[in-house]
Order: sequence, then structure tokens, then C-alpha cells
Amino acid sequence: QKEVEQNSGPLSVPEGAIASLNCTYSDRGSQSFFWYRQYSGKSPELIMSIYSNGDKEDGRFTAQLNKASQYVSLLIRDSQPSDSATYLCAVKGGKLIFGQGTELSVKP
Amino acid sequence: EAEVAQSPRYKITEKSQAVAFWCDPISGHATLYWYRQILGQGPELLVQFQDESVVDDSQLPKDRFSAERLKGVDSTLKIQPAELGDSAMYLCASSFWTGRGTGELFFGEGSRLTVL
Repeated sequence: QKEVEQNSGPLSVPEGAIASLNCTYSDRGSQSFFWYRQYSGKSPELIMSIYSNGDKEDGRFTAQLNKASQYVSLLIRDSQPSDSATYLCAVKGGKLIFGQGTELSVKP
Repeated sequence: EAEVAQSPRYKITEKSQAVAFWCDPISGHATLYWYRQILGQGPELLVQFQDESVVDDSQLPKDRFSAERLKGVDSTLKIQPAELGDSAMYLCASSFWTGRGTGELFFGEGSRLTVL
């Protein structure tokens, strides 16, 4: 079992729809959770961090954390073609571990 | 806006040659990371520094890879000899916070290595 698992995709959604990206992790002691966006050929950039159970909203982005289920998700509302990228889930227990990323494609 | 500087952006080399990458973190960031990212995969931590000390190098192939951050500022990652399987993007990142905030990383543009 991988320490941080994501569906590799690609996930394709129409413009204006909600994109839902999911991530599960194996270390129950993990305390910090992050979503990074990576455009093709570019380096990752942090878009969301979440530390407590529940939802955290920032503009069109909402991160959701459920530590009991070892599950973290990212919702992107009103998806735009510029959101097309790979989204990396990262989880920190003793060290920061990245998932393999989910490729999102938003079609105009 | 402060950035993490990396060089070179691209490097093509033949197997068995030596390669070196350089990174200058954001000023004031005590923690520096080197990650390797193979196409289609997530970044994998090679080495983490806190100031000039190595915090984690458990995934660094020490027979061929070395990393240093002598004065606790900029850092160099070296590969000698390079192998075909080393072809990847080498990402440097830095962070300011310690504790649970150490996950909010700022990445450089990366150094893409191709080994022929």
C-alpha cells in the first residue's frame, strides 16, 4: 500500500463544473495536509493546507479532511480551463510524502 | 517576490559522467529540500537540511549522490556517476516554518536531467 494514494486520472470536467480530487493516506499519525498544483513542465505550487478535520475554503477551492477515514479531498468550484494541471496531495507525519498526482483537464 | 533559485534548468549528460545542481533558497528559510520527480510520479524526497545539518537522507542513493549545504544557505546536489535511471526533474524547495507548518514548501523551477 502506498503511503499517499491518488487516482492518477485524467479527470475531465466541463468548464463551470465542480472538480473533486481525492487522496487517502496510511499514516494515522499524520497531522498536516497539503494540496499542490503543478502545471505541465513546471514545479509544484502550494494552493491549500489543512490541519483540522472539516472543510477549509479559499476562493473556488475547498479542502476537506477526515482523519478517521484517512481521507483528504480538494473541490474546485466553477472549474476553468486554467485549472487544468496535475494536483498533488502531500501528507506530513514524520516527513512530507507526496502522492503521484491527479491530472485534471477542464474542457471549454 | 522572493524565489528559490536553481541552476541549471536543463542538463544533458552521458552515463558515468558527473552532474551537479545548485539551489539558493528564499532568504531566511532554514529548511531546504531536494526532491526527485520522475515523469508521471510525485516528488520523492532525496535529502532535507535544517540549516547546515542533514535531517533526512534516507532515500538518497549515497553510493552515487551527495548533497551539501555548508554555510546553511545555498546547496549543491551531485551525482557521480550518472546512470540512465537518474533522468528526472530535480526540485529544490525551502520552507520557513517548523513543526506542522513544515509542508508549506516553495519550489524552484527545477533542473531537468537527461542521461544518455
